[in-house]
Amino acid sequence: DTGVSQDPRHKITKRGQNVTFRCDPISEHNRLYWYRQTLGQGPEFLTYFQNEAQLEKSRLLSDRFSAERPKGSFSTLEIQRTEQGDSAMYLCASSFQGYYGYTFGSGTRLTVV
Amino acid sequence: AQSVTQLDSQVPVFEEAPVELRCNYSSSVSVYLFWYVQYPNQGLQLLLKYLSGSTLVESINGFEAEFNKSQTSFHLRKPSVHISDTAEYFCAVSYGGATNKLIFGTGTLLAVQP
Repeated sequence: DTGVSQDPRHKITKRGQNVTFRCDPISEHNRLYWYRQTLGQGPEFLTYFQNEAQLEKSRLLSDRFSAERPKGSFSTLEIQRTEQGDSAMYLCASSFQGYYGYTFGSGTRLTVV
Repeated sequence: AQSVTQLDSQVPVFEEAPVELRCNYSSSVSVYLFWYVQYPNQGLQLLLKYLSGSTLVESINGFEAEFNKSQTSFHLRKPSVHISDTAEYFCAVSYGGATNKLIFGTGTLLAVQP
């Protein structure tokens, strides 16, 4: 069990550029979540996968955001045409189905300049 | 609306003193409650959770929390804090459902001073 891995740890990008983050969950976990955390706030739910199926998306996930989990393993979160308001920590978490409480990764900190 | 309230944004306390971090949630028939801790520039680590059964739950490092249904609270306590407990603490609630997503409070910074 190597935990939940996220890559990169930090990303600085210019406004208008596209960025993609990767999350590798714990291998036995079939549930995967993406959260966003801005400064001074708690994490906010973005989206949820069960295996490869994206079953719920928050209204926070505008059409510039897209997430995938091909083959039910790793997941990617892409932000197109980044804006300064996208600057945040993006957290990935995974769990077993039926288990309450996730394991979080260390997050990807995005800074849009 | 489903929500979690952590009224204290920061709690300063001296080392070896007791501490309580408050958490209240919006009422629901069934809830699952969690405390997570976040150290600087790191992700969240699960500290303890209440799912059912005994209303008092404990962590391995001396923290405890008590589920109080009538007051819709899940306050976190520790009888004697250490410098190493300095971190941001987040209360979270799940109302179950197919997604089991967590709703987090805004966090409380526990600042332990020597």
